[in-house]
Amino acid sequence: EVELLESGGGLVQPGESLRLSCGASGFTFSTSPMTWVRQAPGKGLEWVSLISGSGAGRYYADSVKGRFTVSRDNSKNTLYLELNSPRVEDTAVYYCAKEVRVLTGYRDYWGQGTLVTVSS
Amino acid sequence: QSALTQPASVSGSPGQSITISCTGTNSDVGGYNYVSWYQQHPGKAPKVMIYDVTIRPSGVSNRFSGSKSGNTASLTISGLQAEDEADYYCSSYTSSNTVVFGGGTKVVVL
Repeated sequence: EVELLESGGGLVQPGESLRLSCGASGFTFSTSPMTWVRQAPGKGLEWVSLISGSGAGRYYADSVKGRFTVSRDNSKNTLYLELNSPRVEDTAVYYCAKEVRVLTGYRDYWGQGTLVTVSS
Repeated sequence: QSALTQPASVSGSPGQSITISCTGTNSDVGGYNYVSWYQQHPGKAPKVMIYDVTIRPSGVSNRFSGSKSGNTASLTISGLQAEDEADYYCSSYTSSNTVVFGGGTKVVVL
């Protein structure tokens, strides 16, 4: 059974850094592209970033490019998202999801999300 | 990376059919057959209902179907049931090598 479990969310002040983690099990993690999607309170879904299975390909939404960094450790079956200099508008539930293909695919499994609140 | 355009809400009575539209441009929806649809119940993670415009994943009811014409994709729910009441989001690959979601549609079962 595929399982994705996010962690690392919480309250962070604007400008501080935060690293989210997503532990994966039940599938071959090292060959699966992975995605981060966020949802601000009461708002819709927003794609944030995608990383290929090897980690060589990394893609970002314009809204986070240059501030967030996606990475993965295939030896630990773990996906990461580093939030650098977060802004109030980055407040959201962050979901990790397994992708079927790099960029042209779809998200076939999702975690339950971790809430990040950016506030002073 | 403007969000794809969806109606804010669509409603129907049990047993009826409803259609949710998702309008983009020829740089996303119109340019590729990589549109997917997601169902999200309150407080829950999204679930894929349709991918590659028309394909239904195993386990998804055949009451859900997808189509596309030009820059607009559509999700149709036939035989509407109370359990279908949820938020629905479309998503597409874009020519900028990114992914874009629609703003979401709330389906209300009357």
